[in-house]
Amino acid sequence: AQRVTQPEKLLSVFKGAPVELKCNYSYSGSPELFWYVQYSRQRLQLLLRHISRESIKGFTADLNKGETSFHLKKPFAQEEDSAMYYCALVGIGGGSYIPTFGRGTSLIVHP
Amino acid sequence: NAGVTQTPKFRVLKTGQSMTLLCAQDMNHEYMYWYRQDPGMGLRLIHYSVGEGTTAKGEVPDGYNVSRLKKQNFLLGLESAAPSQTSVYFCASSYGTGGNEQFFGPGTRLTVL
Repeated sequence: AQRVTQPEKLLSVFKGAPVELKCNYSYSGSPELFWYVQYSRQRLQLLLRHISRESIKGFTADLNKGETSFHLKKPFAQEEDSAMYYCALVGIGGGSYIPTFGRGTSLIVHP
Repeated sequence: NAGVTQTPKFRVLKTGQSMTLLCAQDMNHEYMYWYRQDPGMGLRLIHYSVGEGTTAKGEVPDGYNVSRLKKQNFLLGLESAAPSQTSVYFCASSYGTGGNEQFFGPGTRLTVL
């Protein structure tokens, strides 16, 4: 079975502060991890995926297989980063590519 | 290229009524999904399809049925709506193989009175 845990329902920071949204997973095989973002009253969209190793809108995330984590980080939060963030896992090699989502973390960036 | 579209955007039902939500995608994706989004519960998978003519149950399938008669369409049906089905419903599609992102529709806000 695969599981994704986002321990924080809500994260509140001030503009310019560093942000870290936590994501822990459990999966016995090789996972692919994603972060999706949902801005107010908009559809979910992909923010980044671990295989791309890229930085999007200043966000980065590193897959740590030892700690089974895929935390999302940004050094200086902006007000426009306020949104709902979902971590998702796709298990590779199990024959099914159905994603498992965490429950989401709401990020609020205050001016 | 419209991506993933959902019909309707909003709907109010009375308990016991039935309705069908339509999801359409024009990206030739094999996989399609229906989720519900509730406060504090995140996204929960209702049903999914890995190809035309196939469907499978997700995490919370009770009270819902689905059909995938055409590759581009994925229908979600509520036969007898209940207040517990008040939610925002999202459809998504993907190529299906690992590493491919899901593309989401704009959502349908359903209220069951």
